[in-house]
Parts: sequence; structure tokens; C-alpha cells
Amino acid sequence: DVKVTQSSRYLVKRTGEKVFLECVQDMDHENMFWYRQDPGLGLRLIYFSYDVKMKEKGDIPEGYSVSREKKERFSLILESASTNQTSMYLCASSLSLTAPTDTQYFGPGTRLTVL
Amino acid sequence: QQQVKQSPQSLIVQKGGISIINCAYENTAFDYFPWYQQFPGKGPALLIAIRPDVSEKKEGRFTISFNKSAKQFSLHIMDSQPGDSATYFCAASRGTDSWGKLQFGAGTQVVVTP
Repeated sequence: DVKVTQSSRYLVKRTGEKVFLECVQDMDHENMFWYRQDPGLGLRLIYFSYDVKMKEKGDIPEGYSVSREKKERFSLILESASTNQTSMYLCASSLSLTAPTDTQYFGPGTRLTVL
Repeated sequence: QQQVKQSPQSLIVQKGGISIINCAYENTAFDYFPWYQQFPGKGPALLIAIRPDVSEKKEGRFTISFNKSAKQFSLHIMDSQPGDSATYFCAASRGTDSWGKLQFGAGTQVVVTP
């Protein structure tokens, strides 16, 4: 079974803090994704990575950055957290670049509250 | 602006009834349409998916109907059970997009009453 784990289930931070969200997958997947989930908006792609040290912007990258130093680990960074970044953050991974219809496997999510 | 529009936002159905969720899209380049199911406290998980070369796909009690000319697709849950209570997301992606990026709908919360 594919397992995607996220470092925290709940996180509370203050405005202006630097925030790190960590994601690890154990199935040697090529692709990793970060989404945010908000009521009425569904899942929106923030960033994704198709290889170590490679990254691409998604639909809402503003205010975020990412890091992928190892294949299994993908980090989302909020350089200076703001209240409008309060949300549920979901990490996902998928197998291969050559199969665009590959299933995305999601972690359980991190609910981030920025005060 | 959401590229995939999903409705209804929520629905309540009695046990044994049929749940129907509809999605519409504009981008004719989309050619892969998965549905994801999310239980409270969990991440979404792939439920069923369809390519536009077929008009219907069935897996157990779950059926996707696809209307290419109308640019619409829908999920039918037959004989709905309380264990089906979850949030359902439709999604779409382009096969030419090798990154497999998905555009998700807003989600439908389904509650199945006993």
C-alpha cells in the first residue's frame, strides 16, 4: 500500500512566522503535489515536483515555496504566514511522468491555522 | 476560476436511494476524468475514473456517465449506504500534460441516512 504521511495533523502559527509542512511518501513515486483545500473551492494545486530539486508552480503559488531535496520528501514553505493561508493542506504523490493518468495518493492533511 | 464546476454542494439521500453528482467543464483538451472520495479526517482517494472514449463506466455500485458533446460527466451511487457518506470530488486533466495535474471541482458532501 502506498503511504503518504504529513508531519502534523494540526498546526497553529502566528502571522509573519515561517512555516514548514513536511510530506513523505514511501513508494518511490516520481511526482509529488501540494494542494490546499477550502470549503466551496475544492482542491487547488499550489506546487508540484516531478523530480528531486525540480518544481513547477501550480494554480495558486503566491506566498508559498517548496523544496524537494530527496525523492521521498516534499516540503511546503510559507515564508511569512498570513491569516488568508489558514486552510487544510494536502500532499499527494503519483508514480510516473510517463503515465499522466496515474492515481494521486493523498496524505491525511495538515489543518493550519494562522492567528 | 474553477475549470470544473460541480453540483450540488451537498445532498442527503436515504439508504437504498441513488445519489447523483454532476460536473461540467469547458476545456475540450481534458481527457481524463477521475472521481475522488474523501472521508472526514482522511485525504481523498481515487474512487473511479473514465476516459472520453466511453460513455459509461461502472464499478460495483458506482457509475460514471460521460457526455462528451455536452462536456458533462456525472457520478451515480446506486443503493446508497451510510458508509458512502463522504465528500466527493470530480476532477479533470489533460493527457498531454505529462505532469498529471488535476483540476478539481468544489466537492459534494453526501449524507446517507439510515
